[in-house]
Amino acid sequence: QQQVKQSPQSLIVQKGGISIINCAYENTAFDYFPWYQQFPGKGPALLIAIRPDVSEKKEGRFTISFNKSAKQFSLHIMDSQPGDSATYFCAATGEYALNFGKGTSLLVTP
Amino acid sequence: EAGVAQSPRYKIIEKRQSVAFWCNPISGHATLYWYQQILGQGPKLLIQFQNNGVVDDSQLPKDRFSAERLKGVDSTLKIQPAKLEDSAVYLCASSLASGRAYEQYFGPGTRLTVT
Repeated sequence: QQQVKQSPQSLIVQKGGISIINCAYENTAFDYFPWYQQFPGKGPALLIAIRPDVSEKKEGRFTISFNKSAKQFSLHIMDSQPGDSATYFCAATGEYALNFGKGTSLLVTP
Repeated sequence: EAGVAQSPRYKIIEKRQSVAFWCNPISGHATLYWYQQILGQGPKLLIQFQNNGVVDDSQLPKDRFSAERLKGVDSTLKIQPAKLEDSAVYLCASSLASGRAYEQYFGPGTRLTVT
């Protein structure tokens, strides 16, 4: 049972454009929503995270938007760069286990 | 600061054989996790240790998978016997302590191919 649903599966964006990845969850006990970035041959690395008491969090070019009533959250990458090309995973957790989405493969073209 | 170390990086075995993976967490990290990442999917938690005790192993297929963390530092994950569907990347992660407040740091993973 997939606890976190992520879309799109893949995304191609031109350099300088905005990349948007969406996630949805069902379990209202989740109260921590991180995004991870994974490059080929590497483990996932924490990118940015949000708690449900705020609707938006921004760190540099990366922004999480959170809609608690819709149980949805999204990652926006502004001014996307070729170096951002990677797989992005959203996740959600309550007390312990991270529940990951299936991932989005992002390609930023020059 | 050294990251999470894993070995081997790659392993190819035949079905019904056994295999073991090793993980050395970041120094001082009390919590250690093993994840299975099947191609095209996100990581799935197999087992979580707090020091040398098991916190959560609800998704570990205990008929074939086993894990231990002796002395609360290094950990090994074993599969015996392996099945074709075990082909995946096995990720080890560690954090200072349990709980959402503590960032998990992932190792590079071990890519297992079962033929």
